[in-house]
Amino acid sequence: QSALTQPASVSGSPGQSITISCTGTSSDIALFNYVSWYQQHPGTAPKLLIFDVNKRPSGGSYRFSGSKSGSAASLAISGLQAEDEADYYCSSYSSGNSWLFGGGTRLTVL
Amino acid sequence: QVQLRESGPGLLKPSETLSLTCTVSGSSITSGQYWGWIRQPPGKGLEWIGGIYPTETPYYKPSLKSRLTISVGASKKQFSLRLRSVTAADTAVYYCAKNEHNTFDIWGQGTMVVVSS
Repeated sequence: QSALTQPASVSGSPGQSITISCTGTSSDIALFNYVSWYQQHPGTAPKLLIFDVNKRPSGGSYRFSGSKSGSAASLAISGLQAEDEADYYCSSYSSGNSWLFGGGTRLTVL
Repeated sequence: QVQLRESGPGLLKPSETLSLTCTVSGSSITSGQYWGWIRQPPGKGLEWIGGIYPTETPYYKPSLKSRLTISVGASKKQFSLRLRSVTAADTAVYYCAKNEHNTFDIWGQGTMVVVSS
């Protein structure tokens, strides 16, 4: 039961779009459409951005979108803003009634 | 509006037992919802450690299963975590969270637990 794989860091300039990848296996991302994405600012709890691969919670920003292909998922952020600078985590339900998280990606807005 | 709050000791010595409680307000712990614990070591990523559906056997991360117990209180307003024989590797911020529709949608603020002699 290994963690999902994310890049350690990504960066972009205000107004640009970026994508964060999340790689899993045939036992998690590939098998279930239960991929979520969370945003975490320093010293705060994670905040749900995307669930069920590509659904936004009520009141969620349309600048965040999710997708999945095979055992990999992605989070896209459009129109980067300074407040988007944070850590981003993917998560997936996994075989055996368990959940996996990615190692996290630090987004820097240049 | 559902809110969660973790409570428990902030400092433990190695080999002691960590006991944390998550208090739920704005709702009750009902069947059909999953209530989980996630931790985050300092400067590191999130780690699911276990959780419970109120009417089912708890589910634990395999590497922690021998030391971990998660249960729901009789009031259905609290659920708890007990982690035995803690070491420095258990030092982390511990979060409780509600999982509905297979996503952790509501999180507590987190509580820092330090294991040190």
